[in-house]
Amino acid sequence: RKEVEQDPGPFNVPEGATVAFNCTYSNSASQSFFWYRQDCRKEPKLLMSVYSSGNEDGRFTAQLNRASQYISLLIRDSKLSDSATYLCVVGRGGYQKVTFGTGTKLQVIP
Amino acid sequence: GAGVSQSPSNKVTEKGKDVELRCDPISGHTALYWYRQSLGQGLEFLIYFQGNSAPDKSGLPSDRFSAERTGGSVSTLTIQRTQQEDSAVYLCASSSPPRGQVNYEQYFGPGTRLTVT
Repeated sequence: RKEVEQDPGPFNVPEGATVAFNCTYSNSASQSFFWYRQDCRKEPKLLMSVYSSGNEDGRFTAQLNRASQYISLLIRDSKLSDSATYLCVVGRGGYQKVTFGTGTKLQVIP
Repeated sequence: GAGVSQSPSNKVTEKGKDVELRCDPISGHTALYWYRQSLGQGLEFLIYFQGNSAPDKSGLPSDRFSAERTGGSVSTLTIQRTQQEDSAVYLCASSSPPRGQVNYEQYFGPGTRLTVT
């Protein structure tokens, strides 16, 4: 089983829709979680960290489910500019490397 | 402040030549990662440096690939005897040192696009 797994998509959604992605992780010792966004032919950029209690940043909500070992990203009122690949990242802390998922592609359609 | 910088931004080389790619991390970041990304693919982890600890080289695809980090700052990724399948974007990222069980977010450089002809 891969350490971090994401549905590659693509998710094609109309403008204004709500869309959610999940990311599962295999190691229950994982402690740090992030969502990154990568635009075509650009480097990944941090979208938001994921906190145990869940957190929100504008139209974006991130949640962590430790029991089922997944994190989620919810995007409300999708914009054309949200079209990108969304990468989840999981870390176990200490001096071990973090692990990126392969990403979920989102295409928002006019 | 200054972000992660990488050089060159583009590199075209002939098959069989050696190349060196450079990464300047954010000042004070002790963690440094190298990844590569082929067109339309996900990030492939190559190597991870953390302070003075031995690097995690588990992602290097062959012994033609090596990396070093001098003085805990600048890092160089070297690919010897380049092959066409080495063509990809090579991304460097840095982050603050982990605090206990917490990892901090990574900041990426713009990448070096390597083309092997």
